[in-house]
Amino acid sequence: GQQVKQSSPSLTVQEGGISILNCDYENDMFDYFAWYKKYPDNSPTLLISVRSNVDKREDGRLTVFLNKSGKHFSLHITASQPEDTAVYLCAAGASNYGNEKITFGAGTKLTIKP
Amino acid sequence: DMKVTQMPRYLIKRMGENVLLECGQDMSHETMYWYRQDPGLGLQLIYISYDVDSNSEGDIPKGYRVSRKKREHFSLILDSAKTNQTSVYFCASSLFWGGEQYFGPGTRLTVL
Repeated sequence: GQQVKQSSPSLTVQEGGISILNCDYENDMFDYFAWYKKYPDNSPTLLISVRSNVDKREDGRLTVFLNKSGKHFSLHITASQPEDTAVYLCAAGASNYGNEKITFGAGTKLTIKP
Repeated sequence: DMKVTQMPRYLIKRMGENVLLECGQDMSHETMYWYRQDPGLGLQLIYISYDVDSNSEGDIPKGYRVSRKKREHFSLILDSAKTNQTSVYFCASSLFWGGEQYFGPGTRLTVL
């Protein structure tokens, strides 16, 4: 089964609003969490990542919230802009030495309406 | 300028033919990855390489093998390609596991 799930395949937000993208995971051992952004016909690029020793990280308009007990993390984008329109992939991984893997979610297509 | 390259960018093969996808990086990254991307499934990890000749299966290794003889090169090999291996294949590298992954431009493989 999917270890990392993005339950919303798509999301539409008005320009200037807050975009909230969600990701759920199953593996208790995951200690690394990341969000990647992907434009059509382009490669994914890292937006922001956190380790499990923090429950929040901010970087400009981006904030990642980590809820370890709920096995959930989210990406909040404030003051959403049309250029934020893209597919957002969450990823999680476990740093067990020699068995490190990162699993990606299926992606959420975010559309910002002007 | 940090870069991950993939060759070829587009490839059409017939079922049963062998396929070689090449990936290169110029950042001296230890860790390299091969993923495939299919609609609705996101990026699925095929193989991960921690360094030269240190490779580990990902989540969907069946039907694939890899080779890493130099740190900067990581190859994905399909012996006797199948139609269900039609996909977009991404290579990525990171300085270490858990570091930012830099992705190549992708290879669109069609197996007829």
